[in-house]
Amino acid sequence: RKEVEQDPGPFNVPEGATVAFNCTYSNSASQSFFWYRQDCRKEPKLLMSVYSSGNEDGRFTAQLNRASQYISLLIRDSKLSDSATYLCVVNKGGNTPLVFGKGTRLSVIA
Amino acid sequence: DAMVIQNPRYQVTQFGKPVTLSCSQTLNHNVMYWYQQKSSQAPKLLFHYYDKDFNNEADTPDNFQSRRPNTSFCFLDIRSPGLGDAAMYLCATSRATLEPEAFFGQGTRLTVV
Repeated sequence: RKEVEQDPGPFNVPEGATVAFNCTYSNSASQSFFWYRQDCRKEPKLLMSVYSSGNEDGRFTAQLNRASQYISLLIRDSKLSDSATYLCVVNKGGNTPLVFGKGTRLSVIA
Repeated sequence: DAMVIQNPRYQVTQFGKPVTLSCSQTLNHNVMYWYQQKSSQAPKLLFHYYDKDFNNEADTPDNFQSRRPNTSFCFLDIRSPGLGDAAMYLCATSRATLEPEAFFGQGTRLTVV
């Protein structure tokens, strides 16, 4: 089983739609969780950290379920500019490396 | 201002000809990573440094080496590039904290001819 698994998509949604991405991780020792966004041929950039209590940043909501080892990202009112690949990233903390999922591609269509 | 800088942005090298990619950071982070990313794939960790301690991934080929002469700089050396090594190479840095947010450079796109 891969350490971090995501549905690769692509998700093609109309502007204004709500879309949800899921991610599962296999290592129960994982401490930190992130969603990164990567535009085509660019470097990944941090979108948001994910906390057990859930967190929201504008149209983006991230949730963590430690018992199920499951992370989600919800995007409301999708914009054309949200089109990108969304990478689920997990870490055991300290100096251990970040482990990336394969990413979920989102295309928001006018 | 760019905080993690990779040079060059684009590199073309000949099959078998050694090549070095460089990364510098102004964040004073103690952890530096090199990732390889091929088209439509996740970034794959090659190795990382925690200060001067080098951590190689088990499946990183011997063809890939790294040097970190000081906190700010890290190099990726590919001793004999093959066609399969063509990829985007991403350098990232983080602090070794409980929530190590990683900052990425813009990447070097390597082409092997």
